[in-house]
Amino acid sequence: AQSVAQPEDQVNVAEGNPLTVKCTYSVSGNPYLFWYVQYPNRGLQFLLKYITGDNLVKGSYGFEAEFNKSQTSFHLKKPSALVSDSALYFCAVNQGGKLIFGQGTELSVKP
Amino acid sequence: NAGVTQTPKFQVLKTGQSMTLQCAQDMNHNSMYWYRQDPGMGLRLIYYSASEGTTDKGEVPNGYNVSRLNKREFSLRLESAAPSQTSVYFCASTGTSGMLIYNEQFFGPGTRLTVL
Repeated sequence: AQSVAQPEDQVNVAEGNPLTVKCTYSVSGNPYLFWYVQYPNRGLQFLLKYITGDNLVKGSYGFEAEFNKSQTSFHLKKPSALVSDSALYFCAVNQGGKLIFGQGTELSVKP
Repeated sequence: NAGVTQTPKFQVLKTGQSMTLQCAQDMNHNSMYWYRQDPGMGLRLIYYSASEGTTDKGEVPNGYNVSRLNKREFSLRLESAAPSQTSVYFCASTGTSGMLIYNEQFFGPGTRLTVL
């Protein structure tokens, strides 16, 4: 069975510093990986995805993610965090058209 | 273009009561999904409909039923609500073309359900 793990429940960073939200996956076959963001009392919004090709994927709001096949990781990154980036972030893998989500990481960016 | 809409936004039920959560999308998507979100557990798939006229169980289908009313609408029914069904429910849709494994899903704003 395919699965996704987000090892950190919470990540705290200072505004202007780089941020990383970690995700590791376990799949059979090619991984199709996604990142979503959830702001308080809102639905999930798509940030970016890796299907094939370049290992560095760029997405919305200045976010990017690096696919690393040898480490089975797909970490979300941003060079300079904003207070408005504070939200809940989910990594997911697509299994036959169905998304399997990690448990989520709460990102807190302080001024 | 409203995207994915859900009604109601909030609902409180007593144990044993029934209710239907409504979902509609205006993006001409083929596939629709119902998830529940619980703290520390991410989102878990309840049921999905790969295309109009089909429905399939997801990871946590017990206690729920679904109806794909037409291409736009996908409803979730709780026949006899239990406190364990207290959760936030999200509907999502995807797929106008191409393979579903490549496509991102679009989510509604959610329904916050409390069962007493």
